[in-house]
Amino acid sequence: DARVTQTPRHKVTEMGQEVTMRCQPILGHNTVFWYRQTMMQGLELLAYFRNRAPLDDSGMPKDRFSAEMPDATLATLKIQPSEPRDSAVYFCASGAQGVDTGELFFGEGSRLTVL
Amino acid sequence: QKEVEQNSGPLSVPEGAIASLNCTYSDRGSQSFFWYRQYSGKSPELIMSIYSNGDKEDGRFTAQLNKASQYVSLLIRDSQPSDSATYLCASEGGFTDSWGKLQFGAGTQVVVTP
Repeated sequence: DARVTQTPRHKVTEMGQEVTMRCQPILGHNTVFWYRQTMMQGLELLAYFRNRAPLDDSGMPKDRFSAEMPDATLATLKIQPSEPRDSAVYFCASGAQGVDTGELFFGEGSRLTVL
Repeated sequence: QKEVEQNSGPLSVPEGAIASLNCTYSDRGSQSFFWYRQYSGKSPELIMSIYSNGDKEDGRFTAQLNKASQYVSLLIRDSQPSDSATYLCASEGGFTDSWGKLQFGAGTQVVVTP
C-alpha cells in the first residue's frame, strides 16, 4: 500500500528551537510538495520539488524556513528558529507528473505546536 | 483575496439529500480543477478532477465546470453520514510548469444529519 510517510506526527517545541520535518514520498513520484494548513489561512503551498530540484519556494518565509530533497526518498522542511506563528499542520504530498494529472497524495501531516 | 473562494459552511444536509458545493476562482488561466475531501484530523484525498466545461460524474459525485463564469461545483447525491467532511476546491495551471501546483480554497464543511 503506497503512501507518503511523514515524521514526526506531532511535535511540541519552544520558541527559538529548530524543527525538522521529514517526508518519504511514494516510490516513483517525481514531484514533492510541502503545504501548511492553519484554520486562518487554510492550505498554503510552501515549496515544491520536481526530480529533486527545487521549483518554487516563494511560499516560505526565507529567513527561517528551508526545504531540501537530499535524495529521491527524502524531503525535509526545517524551521530555525521556530516561532509560535509557525504552529500548524505541515503536509507533504507527492505526485507523478504525466501519470495522474493533479492528483496529489498527501501524508498524514506533522502537527507542530510552538510554545 | 484568495484565488479560490468557497463558502466555509457548515452546510447541513439531511441524509439521502443532495449536497451542493460551490467554488469560484480568479485566475482565468487555470486549466484544471479538483475536489479534495478532508475528514477532521486527516489529510486531504482527491475525489474528483475536472478539466473541461460541463459535468463529470463519478458514482454519487458530480463535478461541474464553467470556465466562462470561473465557477466549479460539486454535487453529492444520496448524502451519507460518512460524507461529513470538509471539501476543498483546488485549481491548477495558468503558467509554465504548473503541474500539481494547486491553489486551494478554504474548504466547505459538510454535515450530513441522519
